[in-house]
Amino acid sequence: EVQLVESGGGLVQPGGSLRLSCAASGFTFSSHWMIWVRQAPGKGLEWVANIRQDGSQKYHVDSVKGRFTISRDNAKNSLDLQMNSLRAEDTAVYYCARGYSTGWVDYWGRGSLVTVSS
Amino acid sequence: ETVMTQSPATLSVSPGERATLSCRASQSVSTNLGWYQQKPGQAPRLLIYGASTRATGIPARFSGSGSGTEFTLTISSLQSEDFAVYYCQQCNKWPPTFGQGTKVEIK
Repeated sequence: EVQLVESGGGLVQPGGSLRLSCAASGFTFSSHWMIWVRQAPGKGLEWVANIRQDGSQKYHVDSVKGRFTISRDNAKNSLDLQMNSLRAEDTAVYYCARGYSTGWVDYWGRGSLVTVSS
Repeated sequence: ETVMTQSPATLSVSPGERATLSCRASQSVSTNLGWYQQKPGQAPRLLIYGASTRATGIPARFSGSGSGTEFTLTISSLQSEDFAVYYCQQCNKWPPTFGQGTKVEIK
């Protein structure tokens, strides 16, 4: 059974940093590209970043570029999101997700809430 | 970026009835369009990809159609477990973008 379990969320002050992690199991992690998607409270979904199977290519949406960094460790079956210079508008549930085919998301974690507030 | 617009925002349907949800792209996305279902407090679930291909384990009452800029998700006979929010998503052009969602509620 595919499982994606996020950790590392919490309350952080504006300008602060947080690192989210995702532990993957139940599939060959190194064979799949991986994604972070976020959802602000009561709002829709926003693609944040994705990373190729071998970690050689990473893509971040403009709203987080230069502040967030996606990374992975295939030896540990883990996916991370380093978030720096956090802003109130980054407050959201962050989902770790598995990429499928050319651009879909076929498995999602339960999500980790990040709250940016003073 | 490609803006995805869903309509209506809320759809009130009786169990057993047909539901038709629309998604429009600001530019052509070919058939690079997917649909997700999200229930309260849960992560989304992939229903349809490639505009019309059902994902693994998705019941046949869910069907997708369209290409270019206009897409439709049809639920042929609504079951109690289908009341949820539905999102469309394009992956034709970076960044992948989602619509704002259509809430399907019990009439």
